Order: sequence, then structure tokens, then C-alpha cells
Amino acid sequence: DAKTTQPTSMDCAEGRAANLPCNHSTISGNEYVYWYRQIHSQGPQYIIHGLKNNETNEMASLIITEDRKSSTLILPHATLRDTAVYYCIVRNQAGTALIFGKGTTLSVSS
Amino acid sequence: DAGITQSPRHKVTETGTPVTLRCHQTENHRYMYWYRQDPGHGLRLIHYSYGVKDTDKGEVSDGYSVSRSKTEDFLLTLESATSSQTSVYFCAISRGEKTGELFFGEGSRLTVL
Repeated sequence: DAKTTQPTSMDCAEGRAANLPCNHSTISGNEYVYWYRQIHSQGPQYIIHGLKNNETNEMASLIITEDRKSSTLILPHATLRDTAVYYCIVRNQAGTALIFGKGTTLSVSS
Repeated sequence: DAGITQSPRHKVTETGTPVTLRCHQTENHRYMYWYRQDPGHGLRLIHYSYGVKDTDKGEVSDGYSVSRSKTEDFLLTLESATSSQTSVYFCAISRGEKTGELFFGEGSRLTVL
């Protein structure tokens, strides 16, 4: 599975959009991009995933570049409860378990 | 709530003792996973299972064994616990064949003295 690169940390003001980037320049054609987050001391929570089209659900939007070498997770109106570590993971549907990196620590402040 | 229960939630034990952590699911999903999480390392896969008696190793399987004799239970055993196995252990399941969408339990905090 392709490796991902994320910034170590990011800050965001409450009510503003949080845009979390992820680079996956070695992604192959059958690999999906998954996003999870982990709020302190809880188990990780699935957010969203996509292959090549942009995706949106009740939690977030996922924007994948046309060459698929990077993506951005967008939390449109960040709240204090969105403070968490966000993981970007790339894998194919036939792959084995997800391999988590170190993620981005997002701090939302008022 | 994905119907995942981990037990015990907290355990303190001594070096050299055996420890078994249990992950129980109520939804009959095929895939189950054990991860550990340590500061500076993030989440690392220990073992996973893709059915009854079907298991495979993950990134950090040394010192751990697993068993899945029933669909609903996935057991993680430390045959002889060491201080390096002090960690928070998370169980996860995936619903259906979409193995990229995992649902995690609340974690089991193990301290080995």
C-alpha cells in the first residue's frame, strides 16, 4: 500500500473550515484514500473515503486531486469537538488491514 | 455503536505472567483486528482475522498470539508479558467486505510492571 505524508500538527479557529492535506504520490490506480480521526483516548473513528471523485458526507468532504497524488479533508465548520488526530491512509479494497501513520494533530480553538 | 466490547478495559500485571484480552462483537462480522497504540508510534497492527480459525500476522506480532474459535470473539494473548507490551490495545471490526471501514472498540489499557 502507498505511503502517505501529513503535517504533524495544524491549528484552526472554531467555526472556520479546517483543511487537512495528505500527500500520497505513489498511489496506484486501485488504491483508495481513507480518513480516520482519533479523539483523545478513544478508538479511531472512520470519517470518509474515496477513489478519484470528490466525496462528501455528514462529517466532512474529501477532495482528491486529478492526478490522485494528494488529497484534502475538509471540515467545513470546525468545532472544539473536532480537536483530534486525523489519519490519512491509502490502500486497495483487496488489501489487508489498514496501516495507520502518525497523522495530523488538529487543534481547534475558540 | 458497532457492538464491540473489549475486556478487560484496564489491567495491571507483572512481567512474565500470561494475559488474554477479549474482543467481542454482536454483529457476526467476518473481519476482526487487534492494534496497539503507543506514544510516538501511533496505531500498529498486531494480528487480524478473516474468519473462524483464520488469522494472520500484522506489523508487530512478535510476543502475541490470537485465536478465533467463534465468529463473535477474537482473543489476543500475551504468553509471557513484558514491560514493552505496556500499551493501549484496540480491537476493530469491519462491516461486510468493505475492509477499509473499521469500527473500533474503546480500548484496553494494559500495564506490565
